[in-house]
Amino acid sequence: EDQVTQSPEALRLQEGESSSLNCSYTVSGLRGLFWYRQDPGKGPEFLFTLYSAGEEKEKERLKATLTKKESFLHITAPKPEDSATYLCAVTDSWGKLQFGAGTQVVVTP
Amino acid sequence: KAGVTQTPRYLIKTRGQQVTLSCSPISGHRSVSWYQQTPGQGLQFLFEYFSETQRNKGNFPGRFSGRQFSNSRSEMNVSTLELGDSALYLCASSFATLGLSTGELFFGEGSRLTVL
Repeated sequence: EDQVTQSPEALRLQEGESSSLNCSYTVSGLRGLFWYRQDPGKGPEFLFTLYSAGEEKEKERLKATLTKKESFLHITAPKPEDSATYLCAVTDSWGKLQFGAGTQVVVTP
Repeated sequence: KAGVTQTPRYLIKTRGQQVTLSCSPISGHRSVSWYQQTPGQGLQFLFEYFSETQRNKGNFPGRFSGRQFSNSRSEMNVSTLELGDSALYLCASSFATLGLSTGELFFGEGSRLTVL
């Protein structure tokens, strides 16, 4: 059965303190791995799509990487506005989208 | 351009009742997918509609159903509500079907359902 596991569940960072979030997955026929950001009371907001091992994507202070079994979301020198829940999701060749439970990130000034 | 619109935003129902939620996708998007979000289970895929056809379905009982109209607007229905159906229901739209999508789904703000 396909599984997506995110760790840690929660992360508290000081402003400027870089860190990484992990998303490990088991899925047959991976089509793509996606990262989303969700603010309280809002729907998720798309960040990145990664398709193959070795691929990297960057956006401002965020950088996503992909290996054959996991993906990392690196947050470099975070700011309080980076506080959110970060969700990882995978889709298989059947088109089913499966989300991880998310990592709640709090960045304090 | 206008984003994904979900209505109603909040609703309260009692056990045994049914509920219909609506989702208007971004203009030009033909795929609408639905998700249930709860603190315990996270975000779970319900189903996807593309050009009025259900393309995929998650592991939910038959009480959960949906449809899509010719203008791509979609509705989902939950019959015989249970306490455990209390959740945030999100819909997302994209141009391509999920299996071919770049993953860039555009989510609405959700409909928060409380079942008493």
